[in-house]
Amino acid sequence: EDKVVQSPLSLVVHEGDTVTLNCSYEVTNFRSLLWYKQEKKAPTFLFMLTSSGIEKKSGRLSSILDKKELFSILNITATQTGDSAIYLCAAGYNNNDMRFGAGTRLTVKP
Amino acid sequence: GAVVSQHPSRVICKSGTSVKIECRSLDFQATTMFWYRQFPKQSLMLMATSNEGSKATYEQGVEKDKFLINHASLTLSTLTVTSAHPEDSSFYICSAKEQVIYNSPLHFGNGTRLTVT
Repeated sequence: EDKVVQSPLSLVVHEGDTVTLNCSYEVTNFRSLLWYKQEKKAPTFLFMLTSSGIEKKSGRLSSILDKKELFSILNITATQTGDSAIYLCAAGYNNNDMRFGAGTRLTVKP
Repeated sequence: GAVVSQHPSRVICKSGTSVKIECRSLDFQATTMFWYRQFPKQSLMLMATSNEGSKATYEQGVEKDKFLINHASLTLSTLTVTSAHPEDSSFYICSAKEQVIYNSPLHFGNGTRLTVT
């Protein structure tokens, strides 16, 4: 059965902390791993990863994929209260299929 | 960047009525659009995959006659919640992939908050 598992489900940190969010996947004909940030409305796209070992970086956020071990991590350094959100990872597979994980709810306290 | 417009953003309707939600790709063509439902504090649940010019593919447990999907053009898909009941109250989100870009990420609409009274 195709599945995407995120951990932890919930995380509370203080401003300035660094966090690592985990996403493991088991899907057939894997194509890509995507990370999204969801605040009050629809998710916004963060990263798409297709190759192992190549870190993608955007400001304080970075992500990497391990296609051998079937997981990805999303790192956020020097967290700010504005980073509080649900972070979703999704595995794209087959032609058009995409499966989302349950999300990690991150709360950054001042 | 690619923009997906979803309308309305919020709708309140009476039990037994039908509600139509539109999802438009504004600056790209999308042969495939996706409809999700999201319950409070939960992740996105895929309801159906909408294919332009053909029937939608529904996920297991999603009633086809309850949630009617039409994808009449390369830029528009609609979801109609028929004979709505209070348990249909939820946040509905659509997404679309750019047709011409291999491995395109999904672009999401802003969602529709449906409340059935």
